[in-house]
Amino acid sequence: DAGVIQSPRHEVTEMGQEVTLRCKPISGHDYLFWYRQTMMRGLELLIYFNNNVPIDDSGMPEDRFSAKMPNASFSTLKIQPSEPRDSAVYFCASSIGTGGGNTIYFGEGSWLTVV
Amino acid sequence: TQLLEQSPQFLSIQEGENLTVYCNSSSVFSSLQWYRQEPGEGPVLLVTVVTGGEVKKLKRLTFQFGDARKDSSLHITAAQPGDTGLYLCALRNAGGTSYGKLTFGQGTILTVHP
Repeated sequence: DAGVIQSPRHEVTEMGQEVTLRCKPISGHDYLFWYRQTMMRGLELLIYFNNNVPIDDSGMPEDRFSAKMPNASFSTLKIQPSEPRDSAVYFCASSIGTGGGNTIYFGEGSWLTVV
Repeated sequence: TQLLEQSPQFLSIQEGENLTVYCNSSSVFSSLQWYRQEPGEGPVLLVTVVTGGEVKKLKRLTFQFGDARKDSSLHITAAQPGDTGLYLCALRNAGGTSYGKLTFGQGTILTVHP
C-alpha cells in the first residue's frame, strides 16, 4: 500500500515567489496534519484537518501561509509570498481516528529552500 | 508553549553502550508516543504507552511510562550504529477543541559510533 505521498520532494525558490506543497494521505484516513521541521524549532504542527475540515490552525505562522483540503485524498499548503525564514522541511501526515494508540503516518517531507 | 521536554538534546556514544532518553511534562497525559526519525525521512512510530507504570519492550528498546503519567523514558541496550537518529516523544490530545492534535517534544539526536 502507498504511504503518505508528498510533492515536490525538493524545491528551491526565490524570495517573494509562491510555493505550493502537495499531499496525498493514505486512503481511508480521516486526519491530515501539516508539520514544519527546522533545527532551531524542531517539529511544529502548523494545521490539521478532520474529514477535510480544519480543526486547529493555531500553528500557522502568519497570513502568508494557507492550507486547504478540498477532498479526502488531497491537501495543499501554500506560502505566498515566501521568505528565506520559511526554509524548512514540511511534512504531511495522516491517521485514522484519534485514539492514543492510533498510528500517524508521515510522508517523506518536502525540503524547501527560499533564497 | 512547549508541552513536552526531552533530554538530553544530543547524545553521542560508542557501539555497545547503553543509553536512556527522557520525556517530561508538567501535565498528566493519557498516552504518549515515541517516534524515530532517520535523516531524509519522516518520523516513524515506535510505540504508544497508555497506562501509568507501563513498560514495553521492542527488541533492545525499553519504553517506560511514569506512574504519574507525566514522564516517560526510552532505554536502549547495547546501542548499534543503526540506532542513530532523532528520537521524539509526542502527546496526542484526547479531548477538548483540539481533539486528536499531536504535539512533539524537541527530540534527542542520537549518534552511535562504530
